[in-house]
Parts: sequence; structure tokens; C-alpha cells
Amino acid sequence: GENVEQHPSTLSVQEGDSAVIKCTYSDSASNYFPWYKQELGKRPQLIIDIRSNVGEKKDQRIAVTLNKTAKHFSLHITETQPEDSAVYFCAEGTGTALIFGKGTTLSVSS
Amino acid sequence: DSGVTQTPKHLITATGQRVTLRCSPRSGDLSVYWYQQSLDQGLQFLIQYYNGEERAKGNILERFSAQQFPDLHSELNLSSLELGDSALYFCASSASSSTDTQYFGPGTRLTVL
Repeated sequence: GENVEQHPSTLSVQEGDSAVIKCTYSDSASNYFPWYKQELGKRPQLIIDIRSNVGEKKDQRIAVTLNKTAKHFSLHITETQPEDSAVYFCAEGTGTALIFGKGTTLSVSS
Repeated sequence: DSGVTQTPKHLITATGQRVTLRCSPRSGDLSVYWYQQSLDQGLQFLIQYYNGEERAKGNILERFSAQQFPDLHSELNLSSLELGDSALYFCASSASSSTDTQYFGPGTRLTVL
């Protein structure tokens, strides 16, 4: 069935370091891959997304890469700041729903 | 603020009871999605409505049902509540299909005692 695996489940970095979160998916027909950031008790907020006709997308300190052949995509955050601390979810758009990974808790210490 | 509204913010009820959660999508969005978020299960897709009609079903229990009204707001009905139904319930909306950007509402926290 549809499944998105996300790694790592927790990630601790020092302020200024880079953070990388990876996801793999199973449905080769998927063509939309968003990333959401969720702070404690708040709504998931879209931070970046990528579609299957693009290999990489960047928005300031955030970038996403997609490898359709290997069925994986990654979130890269550079120059991390304490306010980047949150849970990050990847998702796969299958045409009927978003299937989410289980989340990565990112902690950025100053 | 995503433009998606949900009421109520919090609900506390007892096992066996029935509750209704309400969602209003962003202006112009035709699709509404319901998700359940519990600590050990992450974000689970429940059901999608598009322009009043059910479009897709996920891991939604038979005790749960939903509908989307002509003004496009949606309601999620949860009945015969169990302790394990305690969770955050999010509604999201998108312009049309699930591969359009989905914007999440603030959620309803349901506590079943």
C-alpha cells in the first residue's frame, strides 16, 4: 500500500549547522511532494513543495531535492536557527490524498 | 493564518458520546480534507470531499462520518466515542485536487474521558 518513510525521527543540531531529512515513497505515480512544519499544538504549515517535473527547489535557507528514479526526496535546511525547532513532515500526493511520513523532531540549540 | 477555520478549538466529552467538528475552507477552495493526529500515529488521512461529494476515503472508522454542505463548509461526525479517539483533528482545504497545495486549519483537540 501507500507508505512514506521518513528519517531520522529526531535530529539535534547546533545553531548555524545544516539539517537534512529524508523521505522515501512507494507510489511511482505520485507527483507532488510537500513539506510541512508543525510547532507544538499548532497547525501544520507548508514550508516548501516540489512537483515531479522538477529535481530541486530552493527558498532562502530551505531546499528540497527529488529523485524520482529512487523514489526519495529530501529537505535541506541551512544555517539553522532556534526558531527552526519543530516537527517536520514530508508527504506524498497520490492524487486522492496526502500520505504523511511520521515526522522528524528537529531541535536547534544555540 | 491559513484562511481555514475550525470550531470548536477544544472538546471534552465522555465515552459513548457523539460530537460534530466543523470546518470552513479558504475562500474559493472546493476540496476539504479531514486528518486525525494522535501521538503515536502521526497525521492520518480520514476523508476528502470535493464540491459536496465524497472524493476519497482513508483510514476512517465506520463510527465516523462527514459531509460537505452547499456553502462548502464541512462537518466531521464522531459517534460512540472511545478513549482512543482522543486526538487533534485537522481540516485542510485546497483549490481542487489533493495535488494542489493544502492549507490546514488550527485543529480541534478532542479529549474523550
